[in-house]
Amino acid sequence: AQSVTQLDSQVPVFEEAPVELRCNYSSSVSVYLFWYVQYPNQGLQLLLKYLSGSTLVKSINGFEAEFNKSQTSFHLRKPSVHISDTAEYFCAVSLSGNTGKLIFGQGTTLQVKP
Amino acid sequence: DTGVSQDPRHKITKRGQNVTFRCDPISEHNRLYWYRQTLGQGPEFLTYFQNEAQLEKSRLLSDRFSAERPKGSFSTLEIQRTEQGDSAMYLCASSSGQTAYEQYFGPGTRLTVT
Repeated sequence: AQSVTQLDSQVPVFEEAPVELRCNYSSSVSVYLFWYVQYPNQGLQLLLKYLSGSTLVKSINGFEAEFNKSQTSFHLRKPSVHISDTAEYFCAVSLSGNTGKLIFGQGTTLQVKP
Repeated sequence: DTGVSQDPRHKITKRGQNVTFRCDPISEHNRLYWYRQTLGQGPEFLTYFQNEAQLEKSRLLSDRFSAERPKGSFSTLEIQRTEQGDSAMYLCASSSGQTAYEQYFGPGTRLTVT
């Protein structure tokens, strides 16, 4: 069975500092990988995805994630965070060629302090 | 707003009552998913529709839960004889056949069972 582990439940960081949110997955078959963000009182939004090709994927607001097959990881990074990045971040996997259902990690709360 | 909508946004009910939630997906999306999210956890998959056909159900979906998607448009999720353990946020998501792995989420329905 597939599973996703987000290693940190909360990550406090000061504004303009770099951040890494860690995600590891377990699967015996090929997967697609996603990061979703949930801002306070809002719904889940797709931040970025890895389906195939380049293992480094980037979002429009400066986040990036790298697929590492050997380490079964998909960590999310940003070189300089803003207060507005404060949110809950969820890593998720989907089996390639399947129904598209997502299996989520437990979430990481990113708290950006001024 | 052409995003995924859910109704109601909040529902408070007494244990033993039946509740029904509605989800309106993005109009051209043929895939529809229901997830459940409890406090401090990531969303968990409940069920999946492709057009009007319910193609997958999680073991989490007990026989008190039923979902429909008549005519392949909106979907309803009914919970019969609610229990306190059913208290959660119920999320709906939709995707198209071409971009099946990009799910767009609604704001959710928060259910509180007293």
